[in-house]
Amino acid sequence: RKEVEQDPGPFNVPEGATVAFNCTYSNSASQSFFWYRQDCRKEPKLLMSVYSSGNEDGRFTAQLNRASQYISLLIRDSKLSDSATYLCVVSPRGAGNNRKLIWGLGTSLAVNP
Amino acid sequence: GAGVSQSPSNKVTEKGKDVELRCDPISGHTALYWYRQSLGQGLEFLIYFQGNSAPDKSGLPSDRFSAERTGGSVSTLTIQRTQQEDSAVYLCASSLDFGLAGYGETQYFGPGTRLLVL
Repeated sequence: RKEVEQDPGPFNVPEGATVAFNCTYSNSASQSFFWYRQDCRKEPKLLMSVYSSGNEDGRFTAQLNRASQYISLLIRDSKLSDSATYLCVVSPRGAGNNRKLIWGLGTSLAVNP
Repeated sequence: GAGVSQSPSNKVTEKGKDVELRCDPISGHTALYWYRQSLGQGLEFLIYFQGNSAPDKSGLPSDRFSAERTGGSVSTLTIQRTQQEDSAVYLCASSLDFGLAGYGETQYFGPGTRLLVL
């Protein structure tokens, strides 16, 4: 099983739709969780951190479910500019000085007019 | 303020040649990461620096790959005797050092160096 798994998609949705992505992780000791977005041929950029209590930033809502070891990203009222690949990132908090983040392969979203 | 910068932005080289890729992190960021991304693939972790030391080199794919960081700032990734399978985008990211869980782990990426080995 991969350490971080995402449905690669692509998700094709019309403008204004609500779309949700899930990401599962295998290390139950994981402590920090993030969603990044990556536009075609561009570098990844932080979209939002994911907190235990869940958090919302405008049209974006992130949730963490530790019991089932998954995080989710909900996008409401999709815009054309939301078209991108969404990367799930997990930080396993182990002993020592390992600060390596574990990156999912990403979920591709295409918002259509 | 200035973000992470990388140079060159594009590099075309012949198989067997050595290449050096440079990363200038955000000022004050003590953590620096190198990744590579092949076309249509996810990010592959290569190496992580905390200051000038590299506690995690587990991602370097072979002994042809090496990296150094001097003065706790600029880092250079060197690929010796390049092979065609080394062709990829090489991304550098930096972040603040962190103590409390979750603080400072946000990674800021440079635009990448697109390497093509012919």
